[in-house]
Amino acid sequence: QKEVEQNSGPLSVPEGAIASLNCTYSDRGSQSFFWYRQYSGKSPELIMSIYSNGDKEDGRFTAQLNKASQYVSLLIRDSQPSDSATYLCAVNLSGANSKLTFGKGITLSVRP
Amino acid sequence: ETGVTQTPRHLVMGMTNKKSLKCEQHLGHNAMYWYKQSAKKPLELMFVYNFKEQTENNSVPSRFSPECPNSSHLFLHLHTLQPEDSALYLCASSQDYRNQETQYFGPGTRLLVL
Repeated sequence: QKEVEQNSGPLSVPEGAIASLNCTYSDRGSQSFFWYRQYSGKSPELIMSIYSNGDKEDGRFTAQLNKASQYVSLLIRDSQPSDSATYLCAVNLSGANSKLTFGKGITLSVRP
Repeated sequence: ETGVTQTPRHLVMGMTNKKSLKCEQHLGHNAMYWYKQSAKKPLELMFVYNFKEQTENNSVPSRFSPECPNSSHLFLHLHTLQPEDSALYLCASSQDYRNQETQYFGPGTRLLVL
């Protein structure tokens, strides 16, 4: 069974802190990795995608990918209360098609 | 708000009813997806259509019947559902059904089966 695992959470950080969200995956051949943010009662919204090892930065968000260790993480710098949401890790498992496997998600709460 | 719309946003139905969920994407994409999101569970892929052809059926019970008349519209026909089918049903689209393609989600239909 090919899986995507995320810490169950919830994760609570104070405003201004760095929030670190982690995700591991079982399929070593996975090629594409995505982080989605889902506010309560809303649909998932793509915030980061990463395809090669290393870091990818976009504003306050940094995605980190380590294929050898089979993990992908999302760092949120200077966390804001508006970042409070559930963050879903999604992995495009090995193969040619865009078939995403999602983790259960981790709920982040940023305390003012 | 995304370029993917879904109707209705909320639906309550009995186990003997027949209803349909509708999804429309305004992004010019060729691939469309149905997902089910239940509490405490990961998003589950149900069906994939690429250029109007069904390419994935993730062992979904036959009480769920998809229809894709064109690349912009996707339906999910529901009949004789069970209470455990209550969930958020999300539609998504992507440019193509290929690796690395970003999927964009609609707002979802929250379904309650009584």
